[in-house]
Amino acid sequence: GAVVSQHPSRVICKSGTSVKIECRSLDFQATTMFWYRQFPKQSLMLMATSNEGSKATYEQGVEKDKFLINHASLTLSTLTVTSAHPEDSSFYICSASFGGSLTDTQYFGPGTRLTVL
Amino acid sequence: EDKVVQSPLSLVVHEGDTVTLNCSYEVTNFRSLLWYKQEKKAPTFLFMLTSSGIEKKSGRLSSILDKKELFSILNITATQTGDSAIYLCAVTGGTSYGKLTFGQGTILTVHP
Repeated sequence: GAVVSQHPSRVICKSGTSVKIECRSLDFQATTMFWYRQFPKQSLMLMATSNEGSKATYEQGVEKDKFLINHASLTLSTLTVTSAHPEDSSFYICSASFGGSLTDTQYFGPGTRLTVL
Repeated sequence: EDKVVQSPLSLVVHEGDTVTLNCSYEVTNFRSLLWYKQEKKAPTFLFMLTSSGIEKKSGRLSSILDKKELFSILNITATQTGDSAIYLCAVTGGTSYGKLTFGQGTILTVHP
């Protein structure tokens, strides 16, 4: 149980385009979903927290207009990287949790590797 | 600001060796400490620790938390090449449920 999927697993795009990444909880309802970014040989950095039906909470230094997060249902959250540039190339990972006092246990998706040319 | 420091940053051992990975933390209103294993893709959950002194065990892996000294260790006995991975420690605390603050990770390489 508690399986999280991400799509696509890898994307290569040209500078200036927008890229959408989907995160789905396959066998449970995820009240809260999280988006992380990971650079090579570095740890995960939380970008934002999203709760179903409300606006995402962004971490300091993360541009909300550049990284658009939508959590329209209890099983789906999307991250859109708008006007992507080479410095946005990274490994993006989502996680999902049951919410409330169970939120601390997060289940991670397999990640999406974004390369911006 | 919450802080998690892992050591060593990297470790190379041979199969059969026992390793101990360290994680120290500073967090306001500590709630839990979690260990994850990351291979080529996203992290997989290993342990969640909330109470001091209670060892959690899963096969050859075990972990314990010391809330007085603010650290945790992850032990792996009789290591195998499949244990090669990045081991991540994360903590939660404060009023924001679910916000994981990760350490830098320990890169473990197990040679045959």
